[in-house]
Amino acid sequence: GENVEQHPSTLSVQEGDSAVIKCTYSDSASNYFPWYKQELGKRPQLIIDIRSNVGEKKDQRIAVTLNKTAKHFSLHITETQPEDSAVYFCAASAVSGGYQKVTFGIGTKLQVIP
Amino acid sequence: DTAVSQTPKYLVTQMGNDKSIKCEQNLGHDTMYWYKQDSKKFLKIMFSYNNKELIINETVPNRFSPKSPDKAHLNLHINSLELGDSAVYFCASSPHNNQPQHFGDGTRLSIL
Repeated sequence: GENVEQHPSTLSVQEGDSAVIKCTYSDSASNYFPWYKQELGKRPQLIIDIRSNVGEKKDQRIAVTLNKTAKHFSLHITETQPEDSAVYFCAASAVSGGYQKVTFGIGTKLQVIP
Repeated sequence: DTAVSQTPKYLVTQMGNDKSIKCEQNLGHDTMYWYKQDSKKFLKIMFSYNNKELIINETVPNRFSPKSPDKAHLNLHINSLELGDSAVYFCASSPHNNQPQHFGDGTRLSIL
């Protein structure tokens, strides 16, 4: 089955600096990679996603890159703000037997220090 | 309107009891999921249903039994609750393959 590794598990940055979270996956059949943000006590919410036919995607201060050959993908947050503090999850999705199977990373707790 | 709604939000009960958590989505999605999030925040898939049909059943004790009366509902019944069942349980749905999942607000289950 799929195995998704995510690091670092915790990350502290000064407000205004950039934050990078990296994930690797094992199943070459995975072709959809969403990122979720979970604030304390709240539900996970999608912030950005990327498909295997694209190498990079950007949405304002958030960008995601994908290297299919190396089987890794990364989340980049620029000009971090205190409200970016949360747990971020990467995920890899593959279709097997006609159905989607999503495997999550362990999460990265990001703290943005004002 | 809440897209994916779970009830109850909090559930405090004693070891050995049986309890149920309900989930409903009004997004018209075909697929629904149950996840368990433990104290370390790891999101572990438990079950996945597509149009009322079970498609994923991870290594979950058979004390946990999902039921999907229709594609908009996926309920979770837990028998003989144990201390290790304490966690936040999230319901989610997605329209079809390789689309984002929409999560409910979670049910925090505490076993005394």
